[in-house]
Amino acid sequence: SQQGEEDPQALSIQEGENATMNCSYKTSINNLQWYRQNSGRGLVHLILIRSNEREKHSGRLRVTLDTSKKSSSLLITASRAADTASYFCATAGNNRKLIWGLGTSLAVNP
Amino acid sequence: NAGVTQTPKFQVLKTGQSMTLQCAQDMNHNSMYWYRQDPGMGLRLIYYSASEGTTDKGEVPNGYNVSRLNKREFSLRLESAAPSQTSVYFCASPRAGTGETEQYFGPGTRLTVT
Repeated sequence: SQQGEEDPQALSIQEGENATMNCSYKTSINNLQWYRQNSGRGLVHLILIRSNEREKHSGRLRVTLDTSKKSSSLLITASRAADTASYFCATAGNNRKLIWGLGTSLAVNP
Repeated sequence: NAGVTQTPKFQVLKTGQSMTLQCAQDMNHNSMYWYRQDPGMGLRLIYYSASEGTTDKGEVPNGYNVSRLNKREFSLRLESAAPSQTSVYFCASPRAGTGETEQYFGPGTRLTVT
């Protein structure tokens, strides 16, 4: 069953603009993770935010977590053509399994 | 350090044929996972192995079997392939013993069953 729901499903922006993707989930979590998948490739872990954290940064990535609203957002600043990919959120509970969203497809146009 | 490797990269099977997907990791992780990815369905867990010698069913185990051959290798077998098993299969390995830490993925196997 899918817990994370990303929004929007698809996003198209110009190089240099910021991209924001959202993820909503249903049950309590230990952490929430964001992954990137380039076309035809495996997923790559980007960032993990724990349930007691509200914001985390990694390079041009900024992730926020609002456990009261059961939602997270991923902001990519100053986007580049190389950021074109699908982005997935995954939530972790207590059962050794990640629950995955359906992803946001990001196109960054040069 | 290759991380997580998978073979083959592509495979076409006829209905009823069998095959084994291979996965290996060189990160000395305890856990290994098999997912399938289908359009509009996201990633779904097929089986996982929390440690050498143990395997457990995930969300969609029917039609599959797994073997944790040793700490490095975790194989997925389709005994009698069906068109519904056409998918992209990913092997992953969590950094720590539990599945809730960040996972490292292989490049995937694209399987078509006709």
